[in-house]
Amino acid sequence: QVQLVQSGPEVKKPGASVKVSCKASGYTSTSYVIHWVRQAPGQRLEWMGWINAGNANTKYSQRFQGRVTITRDTSASTAYMELSSLISEDTSVYYCATQSQGKPHLEHWGQGTLVTVSS
Amino acid sequence: SYELTQPPSVSVSPGQTASITCSGDKLGNKYACWYQQKPGQSPVLVIYENIKRPSGIPERFSGSNSGNTATLTISGTQAMDEADYYCQAWDRNSVVFGGGTKLTVL
Repeated sequence: QVQLVQSGPEVKKPGASVKVSCKASGYTSTSYVIHWVRQAPGQRLEWMGWINAGNANTKYSQRFQGRVTITRDTSASTAYMELSSLISEDTSVYYCATQSQGKPHLEHWGQGTLVTVSS
Repeated sequence: SYELTQPPSVSVSPGQTASITCSGDKLGNKYACWYQQKPGQSPVLVIYENIKRPSGIPERFSGSNSGNTATLTISGTQAMDEADYYCQAWDRNSVVFGGGTKLTVL
């Protein structure tokens, strides 16, 4: 079955960048899309963007445009989310989730990666 | 930008029916789905394409979507259903989440 395994927790200083990985297993092709969603402590889910695992097309939330970059390495079945110019308000759990092409929902989720931004 | 509005909290007694709404402009023209999230855990899909249940989700979970409102209904609510629930839809190739509803079973 599909499983998403994310990289471990990170602590960063303000102004730095963070790169979180998400390794997918259980897919027989690249016909899926990987999304990144974050959740600040006690707050709502916030969508950041997606990448098509097949053709690497991306779409980013306007809120993060210019600060987030989502990439993928098909040979490693891994997607990456890099967020730059970190501020304390970026302290959140970052999730990856997958969507099968043509389906409008996020079916599988990673375990989440806590990113703490603190001086 | 497109917005989905949910009530912050809903309370229900065990065994009763809980309804959680999600409102958005012409939401009935889109597919809505719902996620359940328990403390310290990742979200879990409970309803997709308005009315469908993924395998493993109990039959007491159901959904509807018409006009400007999608609704998640939990019949015979159990203590284990206490969680945060988020609706989600798409708008112009972007994912939109509702603000979340805390369901309390008391």
